[in-house]
This record gives sequence, C-alpha cells and structure tokens, in this order.
Amino acid sequence: DARVTQTPRHKVTEMGQEVTMRCQPILGHNTVFWYRQTMMQGLELLAYFRNRAPLDDSGMPKDRFSAEMPDATLATLKIQPSEPRDSAVYFCASGLGVSSYEQYFGPGTRLTVT
Amino acid sequence: GESVGLHLPTLSVQEGDNSIINCAYSNSASDYFIWYKQESGKGPQFIIDIRSNMDKRQGQRVTVLLNKTVKHLSLQIAATQPGDSAVYFCADTRASSGSARQLTFGSGTQLTVLP
Repeated sequence: DARVTQTPRHKVTEMGQEVTMRCQPILGHNTVFWYRQTMMQGLELLAYFRNRAPLDDSGMPKDRFSAEMPDATLATLKIQPSEPRDSAVYFCASGLGVSSYEQYFGPGTRLTVT
Repeated sequence: GESVGLHLPTLSVQEGDNSIINCAYSNSASDYFIWYKQESGKGPQFIIDIRSNMDKRQGQRVTVLLNKTVKHLSLQIAATQPGDSAVYFCADTRASSGSARQLTFGSGTQLTVLP
C-alpha cells in the first residue's frame, strides 16, 4: 500500500527554534508539493519540486522557510526561526508526471509554535 | 484574483439521505476539477475528478456535475454514510507550460452525517 509518509506527526516548539519536517513521497513519484493548512487560509501551496528540482516556491516566506529534496526519497521543509504564526498543519503530497494533477497527500505534520 | 470558493461551510444530513456539496470557481482556463475528502487528522484524499469538456461523471456513490456556464461544480453523495463525515474540498487546475500542475483549493465544506 504505497503512501506518502511525514515525520514528525506533531511538533511543539518555542518561538525562535528551528523546525524540520520530513516527507517521503511515494516511490516513483517525481513531483513533490508542500502545503500549509490553517483555518483562516485553508490549503496554501508553499513549494513544489519536479525530479528533485524546485519549480516554484513563491508561496513560501523566503526569509525563514526553505525546502529541499536531498534525494528522491526525501523532501524537507525547514523553518528557521519559527514564529507563532507558523502554527499550522503542513502537508506533503506527491504525484507522477508534470501533467498529472493527481496528488497523494501525506498525513501532515501539526506544528505548534509557542 | 482567481479562486475556487464554496457556497456553504457546513452541511448536515441524515444517514441514508443524499448529500450535495457545491463549489464555485472563477478560472475559466481550468481544465480539470477535482474533489478531495479530508477526514479529521488526515490529509486530503482524492475522490473524483472531471474534465472541463464533460458535464457529469459518476463514481461509486458519488457524482460530480460541472456547469461551465455559471462556473459551478457540485459533488453528490448517494445514501450518505457515517464514514462520509469529513471536510470536502473542490480544487481546479490548468496546464502550465514547463511546470507541474498546481491545484487551487476551495475553503472546504464540513459534512456531518447524523444518525
């Protein structure tokens, strides 16, 4: 049963600390998306990759957020320094092919910054 | 700006009744529309999609209707079951040269199935 996995599932941290969220896309999928979900803004696209190369990160605050794909099985989203307004659920999704719109979401990382 | 929006934030239905969840979109260039279901504590899950050149598509207990004239999309769930309780999102997408398809999500409708 192929699925996207994310770690950690929950993270509570203090303002100013670094947070790293990890995602393992479905094996063979070559596009990876990072989303943030809040009650106020809903699902927002932060960044996405194709074949490990970043295609668009315009939805991401550049000064504190960074997204990378060190290899085909790992995507990371890092926040440094974290702020209370970053509290949200962060989802990773993967897909196959540039033209495919089918995205498979992971279970999310619930981040709370105090 | 262009957006995908929902008419109602919440919907309660009796178990066994049919549910209809509505969605309005504004991007006339969108060529696919997708419905996702998100259960509590989980990520969105693909339910059904429809291409812009169609006006109806049926799946197992679900039907999506597309009215391009008024830019309206609906998801119909037949014989709603307790397991259908979730937030439902519509999303649209359009081809983008050189880039992966992006999805624009609506704000979601919370469906509650009453016993």
